Amino acid sequence: GAVVSQHPSRVICKSGTSVKIECRSLDFQATTMFWYRQFPKKSLMLMATSNEGSKATYEQGVEKDKFLINHASLTLSTLTVTSAHPEDSSFYICSARQGKWPSYNSPLHFGNGTRLTVT
Amino acid sequence: DAKTTQPNSMESNEEEPVHLPCNHSTISGTDYIHWYRQLPSQGPEYVIHGLTSNVNNRMASLAIAEDRKSSTLILHRATLRDAAVYYCIRSQFGNEKLTFGTGTRLTIIP
Repeated sequence: GAVVSQHPSRVICKSGTSVKIECRSLDFQATTMFWYRQFPKKSLMLMATSNEGSKATYEQGVEKDKFLINHASLTLSTLTVTSAHPEDSSFYICSARQGKWPSYNSPLHFGNGTRLTVT
Repeated sequence: DAKTTQPNSMESNEEEPVHLPCNHSTISGTDYIHWYRQLPSQGPEYVIHGLTSNVNNRMASLAIAEDRKSSTLILHRATLRDAAVYYCIRSQFGNEKLTFGTGTRLTIIP
């Protein structure tokens, strides 16, 4: 079945540094990927929609200059948390949908998440 | 906002069936109902989805009310590994995004 791979699974960084998280669709092409953030005991919050070959679409309240998204190929999207601060510590999860447009009725496949801790 | 309503938590005994309810009273005719579950420290996992008819797969069954204003996810025989947060989500025509609510935390009692 379709698999989405996310790397790294866990990262600790110092305040002020940047961290890149990769999301790959392993056996299918994904023109669109989604990035979520999840705080402890909370639900997933959609941060942005990553579009292959074009700019990402950010949800309201998400700083595009802080959370840089690049979707350079049909199988890879990256999220870079720039100048990370302790409040950016969270569980970041990517997802992608296999299937042709309209794909709203196709399941989303999720990566296993990246736990970011900023010290 | 594609709103669904689920109980915050449920408990079930191991090896017994579990019925997880979801209300989506404002659903439109083209919206699909998706169910995902999330185990601790993992990304969500797709469980099942449907439009009007009841659906079955190896993981679960989805029973959709005739008026489509509610649905029920059925785990036929719960195991300890089914303990997770279960999310019921409406997928809207023309909108590829999925918005997660708070879900139902399912506890399985040995």
